[in-house]
Amino acid sequence: KNQVEQSPQSLIILEGKNCTLQCNYTVSPFSNLRWYKQDTGRGPVSLTIMTFSENTKSNGRYTATLDADTKQSSLHITASQLSDSASYICVVIHLTSNSNSGYALNFGKGTSLLVTP
Amino acid sequence: DVKVTQSSRYLVKRTGEKVFLECVQDMDHENMFWYRQDPGLGLRLIYFSYDVKMKEKGDIPEGYSVSREKKERFSLILESASTNQTSMYLCASSRRWTGLSGNTIYFGEGSWLTVV
Repeated sequence: KNQVEQSPQSLIILEGKNCTLQCNYTVSPFSNLRWYKQDTGRGPVSLTIMTFSENTKSNGRYTATLDADTKQSSLHITASQLSDSASYICVVIHLTSNSNSGYALNFGKGTSLLVTP
Repeated sequence: DVKVTQSSRYLVKRTGEKVFLECVQDMDHENMFWYRQDPGLGLRLIYFSYDVKMKEKGDIPEGYSVSREKKERFSLILESASTNQTSMYLCASSRRWTGLSGNTIYFGEGSWLTVV
């Protein structure tokens, strides 16, 4: 079972509208949570990184929130633009002794956002 | 700006061929990763390297091997390509993990491999 669940799977909104993407996780012990934006045919690009002590973090029109108690995060996009059309991936990182890196990445399957004129 | 460069954007190979996917990063990062990305499955880790000549299997290492002879270069090798290895392959790199928030992980642009 995937330890990071994203919803909705896909979303279509009109340009200028706001939207919120959800990420629920069961990963433990939690280290930090990241949101990435992936344009079609391109590699993911980091939007935000949050540790358990951070409730919110903004990057321009993108605002991520984190509730470490309920293990939920959201990515809010304000005043959407056509260029926001992309896949948004939630990544939860946990610490582990099973890897020489000391950590492991858990990827959600992404939310595909389409912003239409 | 950090740059992670994947040498081939699009490849078409025949079943049974040996395939090399090359990745180079220019920021002296210790950690490098190879993922594959398939529709509906998200990103899955194939191999990870935390230093020169050091490697670690990820979630789906079967059918793949890797090489890291130099710090900046991490190669993914398909010894005998099969059609189920048709996918988008993403390379990533980061500094060695520090602190709770760790470091930003940078991804390359991806390599689309089709095995026929």
